[in-house]
Amino acid sequence: GAVVSQHPSRVICKSGTSVKIECRSLDFQATTMFWYRQFPKQSLMLMATSNEGSKATYEQGVEKDKFLINHASLTLSTLTVTSAHPEDSSFYICSASYASGRGAYNEQFFGPGTRLTVL
Amino acid sequence: GNSVTQMEGPVTLSEEAFLTINCTYTATGYPSLFWYVQYPGEGLQLLLKATKADDKGSNKGFEATYRKETTSFHLEKGSVQVSDSAVYFCALSRNQFYFGTGTSLTVIP
Repeated sequence: GAVVSQHPSRVICKSGTSVKIECRSLDFQATTMFWYRQFPKQSLMLMATSNEGSKATYEQGVEKDKFLINHASLTLSTLTVTSAHPEDSSFYICSASYASGRGAYNEQFFGPGTRLTVL
Repeated sequence: GNSVTQMEGPVTLSEEAFLTINCTYTATGYPSLFWYVQYPGEGLQLLLKATKADDKGSNKGFEATYRKETTSFHLEKGSVQVSDSAVYFCALSRNQFYFGTGTSLTVIP
C-alpha cells in the first residue's frame, strides 16, 4: 500500500523558535497533501490543503503566517510552525492523496504524526 | 453540506463481544466512505472503505456496508479482541475528507 512518512516523529522546542515538519509520500505521487492538527482525545482538525506547485488553502481560523505550508514536489510537503508558543503544542498529522476521475479523493494515506511540544 | 455523525464513546467491551459503531453521513452527490483506526500515539490507518452504494468494505474481521437509503456506514465486528482497542474514525470523501469525532474502543480481557 501507499506509505507516507513524517519527520520528525517528536520534537521539543523553546517558545519563539520555528519548527519544520516534513511529510513525504514514499511510493506514489500525491497531487494533494493535507495537514491536520489533533488535540488529545479529539478528532482531526483540517488545517490546510496543499496542491503541488500552488499556494495552500487554509481552513477558517488557521493563521497562514504562523503555519507555513510548502508543497514543492509531488512527494514532499512541509509545515513550518513559526514563532512557536506552548499553545501550539499538539499532534500534527499529514496525509497525501490523489484525485480519482470522479473528482472525489480515492483515499487519504496518513503519516504517523509528529508530536510537537513547545516549552 | 457534507458531514459525518459518529456514535460517541467511549465504548468498553469484553473480549469476544459483538461491536457496532454507528456512523451516518450527509453529503451531496456520491461520496466514498471510510473507516480509519488510530492506535495510541500513532497516525490513522485505513481500516476499510466503500466507494458506492451497497458496497461492503471488510478487513481484519471488521465490516461496514454503504447504505444510501439510510445514509449510514456502521462498523461491525463479530468478536472483538484486546488488540482492537483504539479510536475509530468514520469519514467521507467528497472533494475533501470529512471526519467524524472518533469513537474510543477499549476491549477488556
